[in-house]
Amino acid sequence: NAGVMQNPRHLVRRRGQEARLRCSPMKGHSHVYWYRQLPEEGLKFMVYLQKENIIDESGMPKERFSAEFPKEGPSILRIQQVVRGDSAAYFCASSRDRGHGQPQHFGDGTRLSIL
Amino acid sequence: QKEVEQNSGPLSVPEGAIASLNCTYSDRGSQSFFWYRQYSGKSPELIMSIYSNGDKEDGRFTAQLNKASQYVSLLIRDSQPSDSATYLCAQMPGGFKTIFGAGTRLFVKA
Repeated sequence: NAGVMQNPRHLVRRRGQEARLRCSPMKGHSHVYWYRQLPEEGLKFMVYLQKENIIDESGMPKERFSAEFPKEGPSILRIQQVVRGDSAAYFCASSRDRGHGQPQHFGDGTRLSIL
Repeated sequence: QKEVEQNSGPLSVPEGAIASLNCTYSDRGSQSFFWYRQYSGKSPELIMSIYSNGDKEDGRFTAQLNKASQYVSLLIRDSQPSDSATYLCAQMPGGFKTIFGAGTRLFVKA
C-alpha cells in the first residue's frame, strides 16, 4: 500500500494523558499536513511540515499541541494533557510538492477519544 | 464570513438523476479548487480538481468554476446509491494551505 499511512486508527486516552499520532506520507511525498475534523464539521487545517521543518502552524493551538517531521521516520502530532474537547478525527495528508494546484492525499485518520 | 461555504444538506436525489453540489468562496486570489468525497468514518478522497474558468469533465463528474462569481460546483450524472457521501469543497488560495468547506451530504435513493 503506497498511500498515506496513519496509526493508530483509534486511540483512547484519559484526560491529562498524552496522545501521539503518527503519519507516514506517500512514497515520494515530502510535504505533510495535519487536519482535525469534529463530528459534522469540515476539515480544519492545523499544521504543514516539510522534512525537519514546520512551515505553517497557524491552525494549531498554541498550547499542548506540537508536530514534527524528522529526517527519518513518520510525522508525529503530539497532544499533551488531553482534554475532552480534543476528541476528534485527525487526518494527515501529503503532497509531492507544494504550490499551485498540488492536491493532497489523505490517510485514513486517527479517531481520538478522550474519556 | 466563512472562507468556503457549502449547503450542509442533506441533498436527496433519486437514482439516475443529476446531483448538483454548490460551493462559494471568499478569497478572490484562489487559483486551485478541489472536490473531495468522504464516506462516513472514512478519509476524504480527491475526485476532481479545477483551476480555470469553465467546465471540467471526468466520467460522471463535471466540475464548474466561475471565478467572477466566486462559485464552484460539482455535477454528478446518473447518480448511484454508492455516490451517497459527504462532498467537501476545498480551495487553495495560494501556496500550500487548503481550506475546506463543511461539506454537503448527498443521499441517492435507490
